[in-house]
Amino acid sequence: QVHLQESGPGLVKPSETLSLTCTISDDSISDYFWTWIRQPPGKGLEWIGNIYYSRSANYNPSLKSRVTISIDTSKNQFSLKVNSVTAADTAVYYCARARWWDRPFDDWGQGILVTVSS
Amino acid sequence: QSALPQPRSVSGSPGQSVTISCTGTSSDVGNFNYVSWYQHHPGKAPQLIIFDVNKRPSGVPDRFSASKSGNTASLTISGLQAEDEGDYYCCSYAGSYTWVFGGGTKLTVL
Repeated sequence: QVHLQESGPGLVKPSETLSLTCTISDDSISDYFWTWIRQPPGKGLEWIGNIYYSRSANYNPSLKSRVTISIDTSKNQFSLKVNSVTAADTAVYYCARARWWDRPFDDWGQGILVTVSS
Repeated sequence: QSALPQPRSVSGSPGQSVTISCTGTSSDVGNFNYVSWYQHHPGKAPQLIIFDVNKRPSGVPDRFSASKSGNTASLTISGLQAEDEGDYYCCSYAGSYTWVFGGGTKLTVL
């Protein structure tokens, strides 16, 4: 089973940029679609977007203007940036794997809590 | 992109069955057979339990079953066990390489 690990700051100030990285172990990042999902406290899961190494990223329309997902095959990592954050962006952020664009998310990281606060 | 409506909570006694609905639209659940369900225990990573409407990954007990009719998907858990308690989310492909989750349902085993 592939191992996914999220990393990044646990605290971000309002209006700044949230940046997270997901590192993949025991598998090649070039073989799958990679996804970011988040869960605000007390709320449900929200799909943020996904990326495949040779294609452009796809985003949740409600977040598209503030989100960028990128991939670094040399480091076996993919990343998430959310601009102009507010308290509403406080959430546990998960990275997850899908075997293809139409496949479910069959492997997940443990998640990282990011709090937006001054 | 709004979350797919699910009942906020369901409950059942051990051994009983419960069904969780997931109401989509003709743009997501009704148009694609790419509905999946995830079990989420707080503090842990969500786990895939159903994909492609009604398929179970290896290792998932056959107590978990699912179906779809029109724009509504359903998950049924039979023979409830204490360890089934947790949150359940549906997820549907929504076209243009995007996905949408349901709002989540909290299952309580009485």
